[in-house]
Amino acid sequence: DAGVIQSPRHEVTEMGQEVTLRCKPISGHDYLFWYRQTMMRGLELLIYFNNNVPIDDSGMPEDRFSAKMPNASFSTLKIQPSEPRDSAVYFCASSPGRDRGEQYFGPGTRLTVT
Amino acid sequence: QKEVEQDPGPLSVPEGAIVSLNCTYSNSAFQYFMWYRQYSRKGPELLMYTYSSGNKEDGRFTAQVDKSSKYISLFIRDSQPSDSATYLCAMSEGYGGATNKLIFGTGTLLAVQP
Repeated sequence: DAGVIQSPRHEVTEMGQEVTLRCKPISGHDYLFWYRQTMMRGLELLIYFNNNVPIDDSGMPEDRFSAKMPNASFSTLKIQPSEPRDSAVYFCASSPGRDRGEQYFGPGTRLTVT
Repeated sequence: QKEVEQDPGPLSVPEGAIVSLNCTYSNSAFQYFMWYRQYSRKGPELLMYTYSSGNKEDGRFTAQVDKSSKYISLFIRDSQPSDSATYLCAMSEGYGGATNKLIFGTGTLLAVQP
């Protein structure tokens, strides 16, 4: 069974450009999470969805960040315009929900904004 | 004070040693406790998942939860060089709604020397 799939694995872009990160959660999981990881701040929760509905976006740093989940098998995280301080590894994770709270992470997208 | 505290290390041990990794927390509502292992440039991988207090063993790994002390531990027996990674503790209040959010420690970097 495939795990969480993320694309691209690496992204290098120039400041001001739009960046779109993609995620396919594990089939049957009810929850989807977007995280950002940096050396300075560790793992930060940006936003999470339950049954495709955004539940908590309090971790989204600014209006430049937006996330969507149009169906149960796909989610995007968009940064527009990107800035050098957005450079980080972005992880998507999914969770079965119901009586199970563990989360399964994807391989991450390493974003570099120059 | 952070909700979850974890010594960042690094922790260096010889091969075959018993490793003890720990986290403390302040939120008494936490009920679900997890340990993740993260290799360099990879996503966090779920290692152990426990509910409430007690012990759980899986091969060379043992997770302990002491809710009265707000303290959790991960023990690794007969440590191997392949165990070298960052270990993150994570916990949540529950599995529904807002309580499904995981709060992560900052991670402990472990190096097992051959």
